Amino acid sequence: GQNIDQPTEMTATEGAIVQINCTYQTSGFNGLFWYQQHAGEAPTFLSYNVLDGLEEKGRFSSFLSRSKGYSYLLLKELQMKDSASYLCAVSAKSGGSYIPTFGRGTSLIVHP
Amino acid sequence: SQTIHQWPATLVQPVGSPLSLECTVEGTSNPNLYWYRQAAGRGLQLLFYSVGIGQISSEVPQNLSASRPQDRQFILSSKKLLLSDSGFYLCAWSVRTGTDTYEQYFGPGTRLTVT
Repeated sequence: GQNIDQPTEMTATEGAIVQINCTYQTSGFNGLFWYQQHAGEAPTFLSYNVLDGLEEKGRFSSFLSRSKGYSYLLLKELQMKDSASYLCAVSAKSGGSYIPTFGRGTSLIVHP
Repeated sequence: SQTIHQWPATLVQPVGSPLSLECTVEGTSNPNLYWYRQAAGRGLQLLFYSVGIGQISSEVPQNLSASRPQDRQFILSSKKLLLSDSGFYLCAWSVRTGTDTYEQYFGPGTRLTVT
């Protein structure tokens, strides 16, 4: 089975930086997804990390350490619209396919 | 560019009634397709995935079934809905972007309320 852990809720201030952590235990690991989900909407793809290290996309960056079973999503220059749930999902081999398994998500609240 | 459609957007159904949710993808061929359910306050649960026409894998035993009659069409069905089937149903597709990398995108979802 797979075990994915991320904090339930975080708060931060507009303009600040926030780091959302995700730890996992799985077999057949291929990579790790990060998604953003606003209330009542479908998740939006942010990143997929396969290799160790940091990948930057504008204000959002994602980091992966395969040996530690650890990832984080870094959000810079926070804006009010960044208030959302952030989902970590692990892609692991099942049969002949890679299947994503999601964590419960981290609800981020950005205050003015 | 690729797009994914789901319908209906919202649905209210009585217990014991049948269900059919449809998902179609445009702008790609032979995608991997997925059905997820998100219950209120809970994470995304993978229900079914498909790597090709007629190929369905079930992740969770329940009263739901899935079919893939065409390459870019994925259908979620039930013969008799339960109250516990209420939730936000999301169809997704994935595309390989590199040797070991790929991206997964979600449709807009169907919010199902079973009464």
